[in-house]
Amino acid sequence: GQQVMQIPQYQHVQEGEDFTTYCNSSTTLSNIQWYKQRPGGHPVFLIQLVKSGEVKKQKRLTFQFGEAKKNSSLHITATQTTDVGTYFCAGRENKLVFGAGTILRVKS
Amino acid sequence: NAGVTQTPKFQVLKTGQSMTLQCAQDMNHNSMYWYRQDPGMGLRLIYYSASEGTTDKGEVPNGYNVSRLNKREFSLRLESAAPSQTSVYFCASSRTALNTEAFFGQGTRLTVV
Repeated sequence: GQQVMQIPQYQHVQEGEDFTTYCNSSTTLSNIQWYKQRPGGHPVFLIQLVKSGEVKKQKRLTFQFGEAKKNSSLHITATQTTDVGTYFCAGRENKLVFGAGTILRVKS
Repeated sequence: NAGVTQTPKFQVLKTGQSMTLQCAQDMNHNSMYWYRQDPGMGLRLIYYSASEGTTDKGEVPNGYNVSRLNKREFSLRLESAAPSQTSVYFCASSRTALNTEAFFGQGTRLTVV
């Protein structure tokens, strides 16, 4: 069945440092979505990638979808304390299957 | 506009008790989902309903049943609760099953003792 793996599980960075989380699927995906969950909160949609090799930016966040549509990454430039939370990728077929998430802690 | 509403927010059950988690969305979405979240395990799909009248198993369906009561409501039932079902449960909905964002409820924190 569809599986989505995400690394690293946890990252603790100094404020101002960059951060990257990676997502890999066992199958080719029609699209991939990214979500952010603040501590104690619920997941909130960030973005969806559909095309092979697609790159999208949201301010300091850069999202990429691999050429084979089996992997994706989220890169945050110059992290801020407001970036704290868990970042999930999710493979979208008929159902929405999430990776285990990357917990980001930012030290100010 | 409430979005996705889950009830209750907190629940403590004794082993063997049953309960139903309620979920309702007011966005006229076709697809609805139930997830459980455990530390280090991310969000694991329990059941989903791609459209009204259909339900399908997700990654971890054992010990659970669901009912898509109508387009708005999707309930999750634990027939005989076990300590392994202690978790945070999230309901979500999306306009379609294929390529639209999912909106999540606030979650239900369930403890089985």
